[in-house]
Amino acid sequence: DADVTQTPRNRITKTGKRIMLECSQTKGHDRMYWYRQDPGLGLRLIYYSFDVKDINKGEISDGYSVSRQAQAKFSLSLESAIPNQTALYFCATSDPGGANVLTFGAGSRLTVL
Amino acid sequence: QKEVEQDPGPLSVPEGAIVSLNCTYSNSAFQYFMWYRQYSRKGPELLMYTYSSGNKEDGRFTAQVDKSSKYISLFIRDSQPSDSATYLCAMRNYGQNFVFGPGTRLSVLP
Repeated sequence: DADVTQTPRNRITKTGKRIMLECSQTKGHDRMYWYRQDPGLGLRLIYYSFDVKDINKGEISDGYSVSRQAQAKFSLSLESAIPNQTALYFCATSDPGGANVLTFGAGSRLTVL
Repeated sequence: QKEVEQDPGPLSVPEGAIVSLNCTYSNSAFQYFMWYRQYSRKGPELLMYTYSSGNKEDGRFTAQVDKSSKYISLFIRDSQPSDSATYLCAMRNYGQNFVFGPGTRLSVLP
């Protein structure tokens, strides 16, 4: 099983719909992240959480919300999806020691029509 | 100006060639430098990381950091078709989150 699991892997939805992307991890890491990847823009941080009671906005949090249900679970919600939220979304975890290396999931491809 | 710049490619090389991938950055406070490899339809995976300046070698891969020039490089020796992927550089300062480059798409032709 993968260390970081994302569901769904692919989702097509319509403008205005609410969408939730889920992430679970078996690394035992406290730190979890949601990134968005767009061609030519690289990975941009949406939200991050250093423990269950800690939620922080990243670079591009507008239009998104998150929930940290447990140490191993971190979900991303789009309350009312819009077409420019069409992107590849990645969940990641990190070990806080030293380099804080990120371990990524396989990604969730979201298309908003 | 973006904080981290990276030539998006695509870069096509013949099998066996030496590949040089580069990133420039503007924030002189960055201390941790990473290279991630991302295959199509997969998440990025850590390839190399370097703390502060200097070189680090791991098999066919060498990472270099030149903080005076704000420039990092990844060299791939004896490149293989399996090295075809997008390569992302990432860097951060103490206590900060990583900033990623946009990635360079590499194709190694058999």
